[in-house]
This record gives sequence, structure tokens and C-alpha cells, in this order.
Amino acid sequence: GAVVSQHPSWVICKSGTSVKIECRSLDFQATTMFWYRQFPKQSLMLMATSNEGSKATYEQGVEKDKFLINHASLTLSTLTVTSAHPEDSSFYICSASSPVYGQGNSPLHFGNGTRLTVT
Amino acid sequence: DAKTTQPNSMESNEEEPVHLPCNHSTISGTDYIHWYRQLPSQGPEYVIHGLTSNVNNRMASLAIAEDRKSSTLILHRATLRDAAVYYCILRNIYNQGGKLIFGQGTELSVKP
Repeated sequence: GAVVSQHPSWVICKSGTSVKIECRSLDFQATTMFWYRQFPKQSLMLMATSNEGSKATYEQGVEKDKFLINHASLTLSTLTVTSAHPEDSSFYICSASSPVYGQGNSPLHFGNGTRLTVT
Repeated sequence: DAKTTQPNSMESNEEEPVHLPCNHSTISGTDYIHWYRQLPSQGPEYVIHGLTSNVNNRMASLAIAEDRKSSTLILHRATLRDAAVYYCILRNIYNQGGKLIFGQGTELSVKP
């Protein structure tokens, strides 16, 4: 089955620094990747949708200059949290989709998440 | 995609069956019913999906009401590892791309 790998699984950084999170599709070409954020005891909130080779589409209220998304290849998307602050501490999750997996009758596959703690 | 309603939490005893309900009264004829679960500190994991007929796989069964306005995820014998948040999500067949909007889900706790 499809596998989505996310790295790192956890990261601690100092306030003001930037952190990059990678999301890879290991056995299929991911034309679309999604980034979610999840605060404790809350559900996943979609942050942005990225299509390979084009600019990401951000959900309302998500700062595109703060959360930089790059989807330069069919197997890799990155999320960079720039000038991180303690309120950016959260669990970040990606999912990857393809023309096959993107159809409504196909399962979707998620990375295992990245726990970001900003001190 | 249409909205779903689930209970916030449910409890089960280990090795007993669990029935997790989901209401989706505004479902359209081209909406698939998907279930995902999220174990603590992990990303969501696909469980099962269906359109009209009941579905079984190695993880669970999905019972879909005749009018499709509700469905039930059935775990036949709950184990401690089944403790997770279970999300019921509708995905339209024409929803190309794979965008999922998560509701609050049902937090299932399993007692030994």
C-alpha cells in the first residue's frame, strides 16, 4: 500500500528560528500534498494544498509568508515554519495524493506527523 | 463535501464489539463514507470506506443505513490498541485531489 513518510518526527527549536518539515511519498507519485496542523485535544485543521510545480493554496487565516510550502518534485513537499514562535508549537501532519488516490472512492494516506515545540 | 456528526467520546471493554455511529443526513448520492482513525501522537490511518453496501475488511466493518443518512463503524473485538479518535468523513466521487475536512471525531477509550 501507499506509504507517506514525514521527517522529522519531532523537533525543538528556539523562538525566531526556522524549521523545515519534509513529507515524502515513498511508492507513488504525489501530484498533490496537504498540510494539516493539530493542537492538543483538537481535530486536524487543513493549512494548505500544494500541487507539484505550482504555488500552494492556503486556507483562510493561514499566513503564507510564515508557512512556506514547496512541492518541487512528485515525491517531496516541504513545510518551512519561518521565524517560529511558541504559539506555532503544534503537531503538523501531511497527506499525499495522486490522480488514483485523489478520487473520492480511494483511501488517503498520511504521514506520522511532526511534533514542533518552540521554546 | 457534506458534514458528519459523531459522538464526542465512547467507552468500550476489551474484547467486546464496538459500534461507532455517524450521522450524515445531507449525504449526496455520489458521496463515499470514509472512516479514519488517529492513534495518539500519530497521523490518521485509513480504516474503511463504502458507498451503499456494507463493507468488511481486516480492521473493521462498515454498516450503511438503507437511506444512507447514517453509518456505523464496527470493531468486532476491541483491543487496547484500538483506543483512538475515529473520524467519519464524506468524500465525493468527484472530489479530485484528496482534500479532507476533519470533524471532531469520536474518541474511543478501551478498558481492560
